[in-house]
Amino acid sequence: DGGITQSPKYLFRKEGQNVTLSCEQNLNHDAMYWYRQDPGQGLRLIYYSQIVNDFQKGDIAEGYSVSREKKESFPLTVTSAQKNPTAFYLCASNHRRTDTQYFGPGTRLTVL
Amino acid sequence: KQEVTQIPAALSVPEGENLVLNCSFTDSAIYNLQWFRQDPGKGLTSLLLIQSSQREQTSGRLNASLDKSSGRSTLYIAASQPGDSATYLCAVGVNNNDMRFGAGTRLTVKP
Repeated sequence: DGGITQSPKYLFRKEGQNVTLSCEQNLNHDAMYWYRQDPGQGLRLIYYSQIVNDFQKGDIAEGYSVSREKKESFPLTVTSAQKNPTAFYLCASNHRRTDTQYFGPGTRLTVL
Repeated sequence: KQEVTQIPAALSVPEGENLVLNCSFTDSAIYNLQWFRQDPGKGLTSLLLIQSSQREQTSGRLNASLDKSSGRSTLYIAASQPGDSATYLCAVGVNNNDMRFGAGTRLTVKP
């Protein structure tokens, strides 16, 4: 089955630790995205990547880092510099021609 | 900066009722507009995508309209069912990489 997978589903982090969220897609999509969702708010864009080895900051990139070494993978690292990292993180991808964004199931990160 | 608003934040209707969800945006220069469904604790599922040059899109019991001049889109759900209960999100494409999301309308369809 084609789709986007995110792991883990739940993640707990102690303050001061870096954690990496996984996002993998087998849809052969060029573009991939990371969003953050907080209760009662819309999704906010953290980073996006249009092609391998290239990525751009979104609205709330501070305290986050990404890499795009393979077309299928776009991991997100939440660093200790992110002051309020507890949130629901969603990864998405789309093919340039269709524009429709497809989302993964999300990772819920909680800082203890 | 494009801002997207969805009102109401929550809506409860009896099964079988037709309903309309509203989305408004501040800048009419949009790339596209997409409606999503989100179940609790899950990712988003795309329902309908309307390109900037289009006025509406239909899929089954769903119809989405777009009026750029007034900065509005509506999602019409016909003959609602309990399985339609979810949060519905509107997202406005600023370009082919940047989308602005509303906070969503949480819909409950009562049997």
